Amino acid sequence: KQEVTQIPAALSVPEGENLVLNCSFTDSAIYNLQWFRQDPGKGLTSLLLIQSSQREQTSGRLNASLDKSSGRSTLYIAASQPGDSATYLCAVDPGTYKYIFGTGTRLKVLA
Amino acid sequence: DAMVIQNPRYQVTQFGKPVTLSCSQTLNHNVMYWYQQKSSQAPKLLFHYYDKDFNNEADTPDNFQSRRPNTSFCFLDIRSPGLGDAAMYLCATTRGGPTNEKLFFGSGTQLSVL
Repeated sequence: KQEVTQIPAALSVPEGENLVLNCSFTDSAIYNLQWFRQDPGKGLTSLLLIQSSQREQTSGRLNASLDKSSGRSTLYIAASQPGDSATYLCAVDPGTYKYIFGTGTRLKVLA
Repeated sequence: DAMVIQNPRYQVTQFGKPVTLSCSQTLNHNVMYWYQQKSSQAPKLLFHYYDKDFNNEADTPDNFQSRRPNTSFCFLDIRSPGLGDAAMYLCATTRGGPTNEKLFFGSGTQLSVL
């Protein structure tokens, strides 16, 4: 059974710092992986989607990498800003459209 | 310009009183999902549809049912809500088909059970 883990559960950093969020999954047979942002009491917004054949994807200050063989993905946020404060979740699709989510990393960027 | 719309935003019901949550989409996506998310937990998949094909997760309680009368609309019915069903309910869509595309979520319905 696929399990998705995100470490750390919470993170506080000063503004301007570069940071890395981690996502690990137990079954490497995935179709794709997505990173999401969730603000308190709101729905999720997809940030980046990495296909199983890709190694990384970039969007602005965000860069996500995927190492399927080791069951890991990282989300790199450059030059963090207070507006980046949110919970970041990763989810994997095993190829059946049944996305399995991690519990997220709660990020706080201090001004 | 919201593409996945959930109503209502907040729903309060009584223990055992049936409740229906609704979701609509303007994206014409084939796949629609219902997720349950409790505080500080991962979203948990309840069901998903690929067009009219319904897929129920094995551990989704029988108390939860879903309907998708057309491409645009999907409903979550909770027949006899218990206190443990209080949660955020999230609707999501994706195009489906041979290409991988992002999931689009609605803003969620926060359900309280009194």
